[in-house]
Amino acid sequence: DQQVKQNSPSLSVQEGRISILNCDYTNSMFDYFLWYKKYPAEGPTFLISISSIKDKNEDGRFTVFLNKSAKHLSLHIVPSQPGDSAVYFCAASVAFSGSARQLTFGSGTQLTVLP
Amino acid sequence: DTEVTQTPKHLVMGMTNKKSLKCEQHMGHRAMYWYKQKAKKPPELMFVYSYEKLSINESVPSRFSPECPNSSLLNLHLHALQPEDSALYLCASSPPGQNQPQHFGDGTRLSIL
Repeated sequence: DQQVKQNSPSLSVQEGRISILNCDYTNSMFDYFLWYKKYPAEGPTFLISISSIKDKNEDGRFTVFLNKSAKHLSLHIVPSQPGDSAVYFCAASVAFSGSARQLTFGSGTQLTVLP
Repeated sequence: DTEVTQTPKHLVMGMTNKKSLKCEQHMGHRAMYWYKQKAKKPPELMFVYSYEKLSINESVPSRFSPECPNSSLLNLHLHALQPEDSALYLCASSPPGQNQPQHFGDGTRLSIL
C-alpha cells in the first residue's frame, strides 16, 4: 500500500526551462509535505516544504504547490540548472510524539537537466 | 554546526559479528530517526526517538537495537544480521516545534557477507 506515489521515475529537461515534479498521496492525515534532493553517495537534502494549511510555498527557484482536494503536490524548479540533476523524493508526514514526525517517502524521480 | 554526522561511512561484517552505527548532531534537535534505504528504493523508517525516548519501532527485527544515550547521539547496534540487511542506513534529526523538516546524514553503507 503506497501512500505516497511519484509516478514518473525519470524526467529530462533543458537547462533554463521549468522542471515540474509531481507527487500524489492517499492518506488524509498527512499535514506537512516536503521535497528532498539526493545525490549518489549522499543523504537526502531538504529542499522545501509546505503545510497543509497553505497551497503554495516559494524559496528562490523552487516552488511547491499543494492541492489538498486532489491529494496532489508538485515541485517547480525555474530556471533548471545542470546542478539540479539528482533524485527528488516527495515526502508526507504526520505528527507523532513531541517534536517527532513520521515521514513517508515516494519512490523518487530522477531529474536530468541537459546543458 | 548544521550537520548530522554518521560513522562509519562503510561497514562490511559477517553474519555472526556485532557492530554499531553512530549518529551525532549538535543542532539542539530533540527527535532523531533511523531509516533503511535499499538500492533504487525510498528510505523506510525504522526507529524514532523523541526527547531520548523510543517513540516508534516500525516492526524492525530484534537483531537491530537502537540506543539514544543523550540528546546529541543515536546508536544502532547490529547483531546476527542477514545478507538482506545490506543497505544504506540513514540517520536524521529534527528540531522541536511544529512542521520542522528532518535533516539527514550521508548514511552508513552496510554490507553483510
